[in-house]
Amino acid sequence: EVQLVESGGGLVQPGGSLRLSCAASGFTFSSYSMSWVRQAPGKGLEWISYISSSSSSIYYADSVKGRFTISRDNAKNSLYLQMNSLRDEDTAVFYCARVSGWYQSIDYWGQGTLVTVSS
Amino acid sequence: DIQMTQSPSSLSASVGDRVTITCRASQSISTYLNWYQQKPGKAPKLLIYAASSLQSGVPSTFSGSGSGTDFTLTISSLQPEDFATYYCQQSYSTPPITFGQGTRLEIK
Repeated sequence: EVQLVESGGGLVQPGGSLRLSCAASGFTFSSYSMSWVRQAPGKGLEWISYISSSSSSIYYADSVKGRFTISRDNAKNSLYLQMNSLRDEDTAVFYCARVSGWYQSIDYWGQGTLVTVSS
Repeated sequence: DIQMTQSPSSLSASVGDRVTITCRASQSISTYLNWYQQKPGKAPKLLIYAASSLQSGVPSTFSGSGSGTDFTLTISSLQPEDFATYYCQQSYSTPPITFGQGTRLEIK
């Protein structure tokens, strides 16, 4: 069974940093591209970052470029998101997501971890 | 960036109704269009990929169609568990992946 389990969320002050982790199991992690998608309270889905299976391709949404860093450790079946210079508007549930197939659909999602940026 | 616009933003319907949700892309995306269902407090779930392919395990009451800029998600006979928010997502021109704003399907 495919499982994606996020951790690392919590309350942080504006300007602070947080590192999210996603532990993957039930599939060959090193064969799949991964993404982070967030959802602000009461709002829609926002893609924020993508990393290919070998980490050779990495992309960010303009809203987080220069502040967030995505990475992965295929030996540990883990995906990470380092978030720096956090702002109030970064408050959201962050989902770890598996990207699948030619059409780049997101076929598995984690349960989400809440990041709250507030003083 | 490609913008995705869903209509309607919200919809009330009854169990057994046939429902159609529309998604329009700001430019042609071929069939690089995916649909998701999200229930309150839960992660999204993939329903349809490549505009019309049903994800494994998804009931056949769900179907998708379209290509180019105009797409539809149809639920042929609404079940109680289908009341949720639905999102379209394009993957033709990435980055960025972009989602529609969502369509909230409520019980009438």
